[in-house]
Amino acid sequence: EVQLVQSGAEIKKPGEALKISCKGSGYSFTNYWIGWVRQMPGKGLEWMGIIYPHDSDTRYSPSLEGQVTISAGKTINTAYLQWTSLKASDTAMYYCARLGGSSWYELDYWGQGTLVTVSS
Amino acid sequence: DIQVTQSPSSLSASAGDRVTITCRASQSISNYLNWYQQKPGKAPNLLIYAASSLQSGVPLRFSGSGSGTDFTLTISSLQPEDFATYYCQQTYSTPQTFGPGTKLEIK
Repeated sequence: EVQLVQSGAEIKKPGEALKISCKGSGYSFTNYWIGWVRQMPGKGLEWMGIIYPHDSDTRYSPSLEGQVTISAGKTINTAYLQWTSLKASDTAMYYCARLGGSSWYELDYWGQGTLVTVSS
Repeated sequence: DIQVTQSPSSLSASAGDRVTITCRASQSISNYLNWYQQKPGKAPNLLIYAASSLQSGVPLRFSGSGSGTDFTLTISSLQPEDFATYYCQQTYSTPQTFGPGTKLEIK
């Protein structure tokens, strides 16, 4: 069974660093892209970027490039999303999802989400 | 970047109704269009990929159509569990943008 399990909720202060994780199981982790999706409170889904764990090829949304870093540890089947200096506007639910094996890159399996709250 | 719009932004309907949600891309995306359902407090769930292919396990009352710039998601006979927010997403090019969502509410 394919599963993506994300790390737990975080409460941070502005300026702090954070790294959240997404661990895949039940499939060949290195052979599927993993994506990150942001959902700010009461808002829609926002595509942040994707990574191919096999070679760490990464694509970012232009609006977020430089604000976050997406990485992967292929030997431990885990993808990461990190910030060096959080802002209040980073408060959101963050989802990881697998891009399916078809040619259409659909997000076929999702993690449960990690809620990040940034507040002084 | 390819912009994706959806209409309507919200919709009230009754169980048993047939509903259609429209998604439009700012340029041709062939059939690189996916649909997701999201219920409150839950992760999104893939319904349709490649514009018209039903994801495994998704009920047959859901269907998708379209190509190029205009796409539709149709629910043939609404069930109580279908009241949720629906998003389309283009995967023709990065960033793989989502539409703003359509909230389907009970009339």
